[in-house]
Amino acid sequence: QKEVEQDPGPLSVPEGAIVSLNCTYSNSAFQYFMWYRQYSRKGPELLMYTYSSGNKEDGRFTAQVDKSSKYISLFIRDSQPSDSATYLCAMSAQNTGNQFYFGTGTSLTVIP
Amino acid sequence: SQTIHQWPATLVQPVGSPLSLECTVEGTSNPNLYWYRQAAGRGLQLLFYSVGIGQISSEVPQNLSASRPQDRQFILSSKKLLLSDSGFYLCAWSVRLAGGPETGELFFGEGSRLTVL
Repeated sequence: QKEVEQDPGPLSVPEGAIVSLNCTYSNSAFQYFMWYRQYSRKGPELLMYTYSSGNKEDGRFTAQVDKSSKYISLFIRDSQPSDSATYLCAMSAQNTGNQFYFGTGTSLTVIP
Repeated sequence: SQTIHQWPATLVQPVGSPLSLECTVEGTSNPNLYWYRQAAGRGLQLLFYSVGIGQISSEVPQNLSASRPQDRQFILSSKKLLLSDSGFYLCAWSVRLAGGPETGELFFGEGSRLTVL
């Protein structure tokens, strides 16, 4: 079983839709959770960073962490064509040393 | 603010030639530094990480090596490239929390696309 599972998509939505991206994980020790946006041929850009459980909101983006279910989500409201990218989840824990664990990414296309 | 620079952005090299990819971080001290390789549909593979000057940990035995000659400089090298070394290489840095192992946010450079012919 992989440490982190992420549906690769692709996901295609109309402009203005609410997008839900998800990852599940197996290591209950994970406590730092991140979402990255990666445009084609570019490095991943950190979008959201969350410690432990709960929600975090930043503009049109909301990150949710449910540690009891080992499930994290990223919601994008009022999606825009510029949101078209691959979204990666990542996580780490104090006892994983210098390791970060990544999902394989979900490809999102927002259609104008 | 902190920034990370990685170069070259694109590189085409013949099999058997050497490689040097460089990465520097600005605006922070004593970062943890990482080299990842990203393959399509396969996610990010950690190649090397470093917690300080001259301290390199290798995660995957391969044709590559890494060095950290200065606090904020990280170099990925190869003496002789293989076809299988082609890929998208990413340098990254994170803050090391005082008194403990590294945790927290991880920031990436723009990447270097290597094609070995």
